[in-house]
Amino acid sequence: DTGVSQDPRHKITKRGQNVTFRCDPISEHNRLYWYRQTLGQGPEFLTYFQNEAQLEKSRLLSDRFSAERPKGSFSTLEIQRTEQGDSAMYLCASSLLWAEGYTFGSGTRLTVV
Amino acid sequence: QKEVEQNSGPLSVPEGAIASLNCTYSDRVSQSFFWYRQYSGKSPELIMSIYSNGDKEDGRFTAQLNKASQYVSLLIRDSQPSDSATYLCAVRGGGADGLTFGKGTHLIIQP
Repeated sequence: DTGVSQDPRHKITKRGQNVTFRCDPISEHNRLYWYRQTLGQGPEFLTYFQNEAQLEKSRLLSDRFSAERPKGSFSTLEIQRTEQGDSAMYLCASSLLWAEGYTFGSGTRLTVV
Repeated sequence: QKEVEQNSGPLSVPEGAIASLNCTYSDRVSQSFFWYRQYSGKSPELIMSIYSNGDKEDGRFTAQLNKASQYVSLLIRDSQPSDSATYLCAVRGGGADGLTFGKGTHLIIQP
């Protein structure tokens, strides 16, 4: 069990640039989640996949954000035209069953300058 | 709007004592409740889940749920300095899969 893997660990980008993050869930987990966390706050739900289907999206997910999970395995989260307010830790998590809690990855820390 | 409320702390507890962390939630149809521990600069780690009213014990941790009062708590017995972290309460509502997290309680165990 290699856990949930996220890449990169850190990303510094200039305002207006596009960034893409990758998440590899635990291999047998069919549910994959993206969250965003800023300092002093709890994680905020962004979106959720069951296999390759994106089943739920938060209102926080503006048109500049898009997520994919093309083959039901890894997932990518892209942010277009980044803004300073996008600076946060982006967390990916996975689970096998609906009822159970998640396993989080180490996160990707995004800094927009 | 679903809300999960926690006292942000810091909550300071002497080593060896019982730490009591509390959480209230607004969505009455919430079905699943979780406690995560988060060390500074790290990602959240699941430590307890609870789904029905009453107590659930796992080692030094006990989760308590009262759905009528919309209240969840976490007790940590024999607190250790390594328990010093932020504890996040998370709730899953009926029909939705995403968890709603509180802001967390910062717990400090004093040696």
